[in-house]
Amino acid sequence: GQQLNQSPQSMFIQEGEDVSMNCTSSSIFNTWLWYKQDPGEGPVLLIALYKAGELTSNGRLTAQFGITRKDSFLNISASIPSDVGIYFCAGQLFGGGADGLTFGKGTHLIIQP
Amino acid sequence: DAGVTQSPTHLIKTRGQQVTLRCSPKSGHDTVSWYQQALGQGPQFIFQYYEEEERQRGNFPDRFSGHQFPNYSSELNVNALLLGDSALYLCASSLGQLSTNEKLFFGSGTQLSVL
Repeated sequence: GQQLNQSPQSMFIQEGEDVSMNCTSSSIFNTWLWYKQDPGEGPVLLIALYKAGELTSNGRLTAQFGITRKDSFLNISASIPSDVGIYFCAGQLFGGGADGLTFGKGTHLIIQP
Repeated sequence: DAGVTQSPTHLIKTRGQQVTLRCSPKSGHDTVSWYQQALGQGPQFIFQYYEEEERQRGNFPDRFSGHQFPNYSSELNVNALLLGDSALYLCASSLGQLSTNEKLFFGSGTQLSVL
């Protein structure tokens, strides 16, 4: 089945720094999603991407759908303490919700004071 | 507007036992999906229920079964528990079987520990 390789596994950054993480797949996806999960909570959707080459922003977050359809990246600008958490990429091969999402293993973002 | 609610929040079982987890979807949603999240991993798709039927299934054994009720709530049942079944079980709801993914809402999960 599909596998998503997400990197880095963890990041230790200073407040105010920019963050970049990415996700690659052995298979083509036609939907890429980025989620954030806080301790004791379920994942919350940050950005959804539906077209190869698409670049989408949500506040300080920017994500891109790779043109090969096998990769995606997420950037966070000017990080703040509430950005701490685990970020997951997820892909879906088909267009609807009937097929489950394939998640990466997550990037653990830690912000040092 | 209540979001996705799951019960119980935590559960401890022993090997070989059976467990039932419950989920109430977000108000207005009719589709429920279940995911298993092992420690340090991303969620893995178990199955999806729509119109009281299992519509899609991930790579999980038959020990994992489910049910959806007429009020759209759902149960996840796991039989003959193994140590490896210890995980956070997430329920996600959406409107319509083929709804796009930005409409998928996750609950906070049930943490299952198998001893």
